[in-house]
Amino acid sequence: QKEVEQNSGPLSVPEGAIASLNCTYSDRVSQSFFWYRQYSGKSPELIMSIYSNGDKEDGRFTAQLNKASQYVSLLIRDSQPSDSATYLCAVLRGNQGGKLIFGQGTELSVKP
Amino acid sequence: KAGVTQTPRYLIKTRGQQVTLSCSPISGHRSVSWYQQTPGQGLQFLFEYFSETQRNKGNFPGRFSGRQFSNSRSEMNVSTLELGDSALYLCASSGGQGYTEAFFGQGTRLTVV
Repeated sequence: QKEVEQNSGPLSVPEGAIASLNCTYSDRVSQSFFWYRQYSGKSPELIMSIYSNGDKEDGRFTAQLNKASQYVSLLIRDSQPSDSATYLCAVLRGNQGGKLIFGQGTELSVKP
Repeated sequence: KAGVTQTPRYLIKTRGQQVTLSCSPISGHRSVSWYQQTPGQGLQFLFEYFSETQRNKGNFPGRFSGRQFSNSRSEMNVSTLELGDSALYLCASSGGQGYTEAFFGQGTRLTVV
């Protein structure tokens, strides 16, 4: 079992729809969770961080965390073609230091 | 505020050679982490430096090494290059004391021929 798992996709949604991206993790002591967006040929860009159970909203993005189920999700409302990218879920290993464990990423395609 | 700067952006090396990559973190950030990204393995953690000390290490062979200087700039070295080392090498910078968000540089694309 991989430490961080994501559906590889591709996930295709029409413009204006809600895109839902999911991630599960295996390390129960993990405390910090991140979503990165990576456009083809570019480096990952941090778009959301979440540390507590529940929802965290930032503009069109909502991150959801359920530590009991070891589940993190990212919702993108009013999806735009410019949101087409690979979305990487990252989990901080343990509780100290900068060792991020990444999922394989979910490729999102938003069709006009 | 300047972001994370990695140099060079592109490199082509021959098998058996060694290579050194450089990373300048965001001003004030003390933690620098290195990652390797390949199509098959995705993003994998190499190591992290904080205040000139290696704080975490991934599961890579000893050919991969790094260091951090007093100004927080970091270098990564790969010796005896293999074809499989061809990858995008990414550096991430964070505040570091209690863990904070990590920001990536543009990466160095290494091709081993």
